[in-house]
Amino acid sequence: GAVVSQHPSRVICKSGTSVKIECRSLDFQATTMFWYRQFPKQSLMLMATSNEGSKATYEQGVEKDKFLINHASLTLSTLTVTSAHPEDSSFYICSARNRLGKETQYFGPGTRLLVL
Amino acid sequence: GENVEQHPSTLSVQEGDSAVIKCTYSDSASNYFPWYKQELGKGPQLIIDIRSNVGEKKDQRIAVTLNKTAKHFSLHITETQPEDSAVYFCAASLRGNQFYFGTGTSLTVIP
Repeated sequence: GAVVSQHPSRVICKSGTSVKIECRSLDFQATTMFWYRQFPKQSLMLMATSNEGSKATYEQGVEKDKFLINHASLTLSTLTVTSAHPEDSSFYICSARNRLGKETQYFGPGTRLLVL
Repeated sequence: GENVEQHPSTLSVQEGDSAVIKCTYSDSASNYFPWYKQELGKGPQLIIDIRSNVGEKKDQRIAVTLNKTAKHFSLHITETQPEDSAVYFCAASLRGNQFYFGTGTSLTVIP
């Protein structure tokens, strides 16, 4: 149980294009999903917290117009990197919390984004 | 806000030996402390967690201890195996709200 999937696992795009990453909780309903960014050999950096049916809460320094988050259902959240640039290349990871109230965050496998 | 420190940053042990990773936190209100294992190119996987009303928790070869007074918690892996090699992250949280992660420990188990 508690499986979270992400799609795509890897994406290469040209500078200036937009990229959408999907995060799904496969066997539980998630009222809250989190989006993280991770640079090589570093810890996870929280970008935003996404609650189903409401606007995402962004961490300081994260541009909400550049990283669009939609949490349209209890099992799906999407992160769209708009007008991507090489500095946006990174490993993006989502996590989800079960709506049944447990504290645990279950992480997806991550999406490797490379912007050329 | 919460600040979590993790030590050591790298750890090498011989297969069969024990490994210990330590974390400290600053906010005494934090009450949930998970540990995650991350293999190269993959997302973190929860391996064990502990809540502040418990001092120790064990799951086979893995155990976590929590000292609320000193505000530190530790991960203990016994009888290490090569497949235990990975990066381990600790985290602290208040009721599962924002997780504050440590900086990670790269564990290498030498066959």
